[in-house]
Amino acid sequence: GENVEQHPSTLSVQEGDSAVIKCTYSDSASNYFPWYKQELGKRPQLIIDIRSNVGEKKDQRIAVTLNKTAKHFSLHITETQPEDSAVYFCAASMTGRGAQKLVFGQGTRLTINP
Amino acid sequence: DSGVTQTPKHLITATGQRVTLRCSPRSGDLSVYWYQQSLDQGLQFLIQYYNGEERAKGNILERFSAQQFPDLHSELNLSSLELGDSALYFCASSVSLSGGASVRDTQYFGPGTRLTVL
Repeated sequence: GENVEQHPSTLSVQEGDSAVIKCTYSDSASNYFPWYKQELGKRPQLIIDIRSNVGEKKDQRIAVTLNKTAKHFSLHITETQPEDSAVYFCAASMTGRGAQKLVFGQGTRLTINP
Repeated sequence: DSGVTQTPKHLITATGQRVTLRCSPRSGDLSVYWYQQSLDQGLQFLIQYYNGEERAKGNILERFSAQQFPDLHSELNLSSLELGDSALYFCASSVSLSGGASVRDTQYFGPGTRLTVL
């Protein structure tokens, strides 16, 4: 089955700097890669996702890149702000035949220092 | 607010007991997913239902079962509870499923049910 590795487990950056979180996946059939942000005690919230037919996607300060050959994808947050502090999860899934099984990485605790 | 609702918010029970967690998907969503989040295991996929039928299974224990009803709400039943079952249980929903991973596959999470087994 699919296995997703996420690094680093903790990340601390100065406000205004960029943050990068990296994930690798094992199943080459995976075709959907979402990123979720989770604040303490709250629900995971989708912040961006990418499908296997594109290599990069951007939404304001957030971007995701996908390298299918190397089976890794990354989250980039620019001009970080204190409200970006949270735990971020990457996930991978092969959707098809009516089924979707999201496999999550272990999470990255991002702290933005003012 | 994602539009996915879960009840109850908190549940405290004893070992050996049985509990039922309830989830109502977003209006129009046909798929429901259940996840377990514990400190040491992260977010683990349990099971998925689509329009009343089981479609995918993850690391769900035999003591756990789920179903999706004709009105599309879903229930997760946990029995013979153990201390290690203490966790946050999330439900998520998506519109439908396509073969090519379209925007309709995006999963939206509910607020979760915190289960404490004493």
